[in-house]
Amino acid sequence: GQNIDQPTEMTATEGAIVQINCTYQTSGFNGLFWYQQHAGEAPTFLSYNVLDGLEEKGRFSSFLSRSKGYSYLLLKELQMKDSASYLCAVNTDSNYQLIWGAGTKLIIKP
Amino acid sequence: EAGVVQSPRYKIIEKKQPVAFWCNPISGHNTLYWYRQNLGQGPELLIRYENEEAVDDSQLPKDRFSAERLKGVDSTLKIQPAELGDSAVYLCASSTRREGSEAEAFFGQGTRLTVV
Repeated sequence: GQNIDQPTEMTATEGAIVQINCTYQTSGFNGLFWYQQHAGEAPTFLSYNVLDGLEEKGRFSSFLSRSKGYSYLLLKELQMKDSASYLCAVNTDSNYQLIWGAGTKLIIKP
Repeated sequence: EAGVVQSPRYKIIEKKQPVAFWCNPISGHNTLYWYRQNLGQGPELLIRYENEEAVDDSQLPKDRFSAERLKGVDSTLKIQPAELGDSAVYLCASSTRREGSEAEAFFGQGTRLTVV
């Protein structure tokens, strides 16, 4: 079967750093997406990894290890507005068949 | 650039009634997705279109759900008859595979359906 695992919930402090992990077992792999979703809103795109390594975008970075079926999203200098769910999604083939994780709810405390 | 537009934002219906959702994707996006999302879960794909062709509808409960994408642009998703378990947020998304694009999906605001 196809499976994506993420922690259900994490808590961090404003100004700190947090790492949200995602492990996947899929029939194929053609890239991994991270999305942010605030409560009651639609998911918005954060990052995309298709090759191993780290992709940095401002305060957010995403890492991929294809051999380990593992990715993480790193959020630095946390702000209260970063409180949201973070969804990991794997593109399993060239036709962009996406498998989604359940999301990690991140709670930021002052 | 205008985003993905969905309507209505909210809908409350009684069970066994029909309901329809409408989606206008981003101009030029060939791929259109309909997802269902329950609270605390990730989006679940219902159907994916490439232009006007439904290329993946394996997760669509075809006994009560139907969808169409006329002229490869706007799309509608219909449920008839609705059941209590259909209460969820229905998300439409679109994407493109233009060179230089990561083919990320852009989501609409969703329609929150409540079946009572």
